[in-house]
Amino acid sequence: SAVISQKPSRDICQRGTSLTIQCQVDSQVTMMFWYRQQPGQSLTLIATANQGSEATYESGFVIDKFPISRPNLTFSTLTVSNLSPEDSSIYLCSKGTVTEAFFGQGTRLTVV
Amino acid sequence: GDSVTQMEGPVTLSEEAFLTINCTYTATGYPSLFWYVQYPGEGLQLLLKATKADDKGSNKGFEATYRKETTSFHLEKGSVQVSDSAVYFCALKETNAGKSTFGDGTTLTVKP
Repeated sequence: SAVISQKPSRDICQRGTSLTIQCQVDSQVTMMFWYRQQPGQSLTLIATANQGSEATYESGFVIDKFPISRPNLTFSTLTVSNLSPEDSSIYLCSKGTVTEAFFGQGTRLTVV
Repeated sequence: GDSVTQMEGPVTLSEEAFLTINCTYTATGYPSLFWYVQYPGEGLQLLLKATKADDKGSNKGFEATYRKETTSFHLEKGSVQVSDSAVYFCALKETNAGKSTFGDGTTLTVKP
């Protein structure tokens, strides 16, 4: 099985600040994915991070709020900007093969 | 676009009862199908998967069969335990694009 390492595992942030989440995967992949899980909800795809090009955002998510970097084929960062309490969620990164998806343990963000 | 519909929850059962959680999907291609489990306060874990029609995924006594004709992937277990109490997510993954689409999740509570 794949190894996906996310940092930090949890954080408490002040509103108006930003949090950058790092994701390291154990093998090179073209696409990495960032998901959000709001409290008591399912996982929603934020964006697809492609190496060498801009991320592709899903409806309802914008680059200014969720800037993503993808400097190489095994690493990506997601920044959640201008935090508000509504951003309190678990953020997960993921990579996939042809038939399977692998998820990190998630970053639990609480905005106060 | 792709979508996954899970039976509405929550589900409460007595120990040793039979479990069924319904899941149907809509997809344009031939996705892989998954059940994930999330225990309280923990990350997402893959429970089982099926990558093509008529495949049966199984793990820890749970089973699900990929039914292309009914676009379903229902989760079953013959005798649930208190330790099975968790949230269960049905999901599909596009073969080419790689992203995953999740159902809303079903909370299972098993009482002694």
